[in-house]
Amino acid sequence: AQKVTQAQTEISVVEKEDVTLDCVYETRDTTYYLFWYKQPPSGELVFLIRRNSFDEQNEISGRYSWNFQKSTSSFNFTITASQVVDSAVYFCALSERSGANNLFFGTGTRLTVIP
Amino acid sequence: DGGITQSPKYLFRKEGQNVTLSCEQNLNHDAMYWYRQDPGQGLRLIYYSQIVNDFQKGDIAEGYSVSREKKESFPLTVTSAQKNPTAFYLCASSITWAKNHQNTGELFFGEGSRLTVL
Repeated sequence: AQKVTQAQTEISVVEKEDVTLDCVYETRDTTYYLFWYKQPPSGELVFLIRRNSFDEQNEISGRYSWNFQKSTSSFNFTITASQVVDSAVYFCALSERSGANNLFFGTGTRLTVIP
Repeated sequence: DGGITQSPKYLFRKEGQNVTLSCEQNLNHDAMYWYRQDPGQGLRLIYYSQIVNDFQKGDIAEGYSVSREKKESFPLTVTSAQKNPTAFYLCASSITWAKNHQNTGELFFGEGSRLTVL
């Protein structure tokens, strides 16, 4: 069965600190996709990144970086030099190539960046 | 601007009443979804639709109903049979692959509707 675990419920950091949000997933499929979404206070989820299971290359986008490791079934998200605007709930999600057309979400990590 | 519009943003309902949440998209997406968000539980799929006039139950469909008469619209009705309807409801859409209706793309979300049962 598929499952996404975000063990960190809430994290608080001081502005300009780096922070890593953890995501561990479970799936039996060999082809799958991993996502990170950001949910600001306005409510809508904003897409950040998608990774497929055949691409373990880490990715960097500005202050954001992602570390995908199949050996540990993890897809961690790091924000460098955090800013107050980064305060939000962040969701990790999994989509399998087979089976239902659905995103399985983790329970989210609430990040608070303190000025 | 292209996007997903959900209405109303806030809704109050008395017990025993049905209520319909609207979701409209102008992204020309084939697939649409309804998720429910509760504190500490992440998002759970209620219903999804890959094409017009077709929809499938998600993980928590009991007490809900949907229709997909138009590509742009996917309304969700929360019926009186839903025992705990107070929640934040999110609608989403995405492109789909034509073959096997498989979807591996990102979802675009609306701003949500917060339903409170009094």
